[in-house]
Amino acid sequence: KNEVEQSPQNLTAQEGEFITINCSYSVGISALHWLQQHPGGGIVSLFMLSSGKKKHGRLIATINIQEKHSSLHITASHPRDSAVYICAPRGGGAQKLVFGQGTRLTINP
Amino acid sequence: NAGVTQTPKFQVLKTGQSMTLQCAQDMNHNSMYWYRQDPGMGLRLIYYSASEGTTDKGEVPNGYNVSRLNKREFSLRLESAAPSQTSVYFCASSEAVPSTTRRETQYFGPGTRLLVL
Repeated sequence: KNEVEQSPQNLTAQEGEFITINCSYSVGISALHWLQQHPGGGIVSLFMLSSGKKKHGRLIATINIQEKHSSLHITASHPRDSAVYICAPRGGGAQKLVFGQGTRLTINP
Repeated sequence: NAGVTQTPKFQVLKTGQSMTLQCAQDMNHNSMYWYRQDPGMGLRLIYYSASEGTTDKGEVPNGYNVSRLNKREFSLRLESAAPSQTSVYFCASSEAVPSTTRRETQYFGPGTRLLVL
């Protein structure tokens, strides 16, 4: 069983829809990252959180440490949100991350 | 700031050839990382350097060596490339200081696409 499970693996939605991507992990963690990888391959860190909720523009990330679960929400989705979203919990020392396989999001106009 | 830069962007090698992937960051970060990304496997840590002068193995170190040349630069070397090393390689850095529990964001480079024939 993978240490990090993301769902769904693929998601296609219409512009304006509310998007939720889920991440469950089995490792003990100190923090969790949400990353965005665009079709060109570049990776950007969206959030790093260790408890509660963070909001940045139309993006909201939540985490429940006890339940070992995190969600990434996108409100008023837009075609430019189309990307692969990767959940990466951090456990252990030296800032090592464990990566989910990613959720491929496609937003159609 | 350029952030994290990687060279080359693309490379094709024949089995058995050697090459070095270069990574540099201009953010004065302590920690640097090399990952590979393969379809269906996600990102996997190859090696990391928690601070200048130290390197440690990650999840998939076999077939690779690294050098933390100075605080800015962290190179990844393939001594004898194999087709299984065909992948996209990402370098990342973070400000993390190993002796603390301070949590830091990792910044990624643009990636190097490597094809080994």
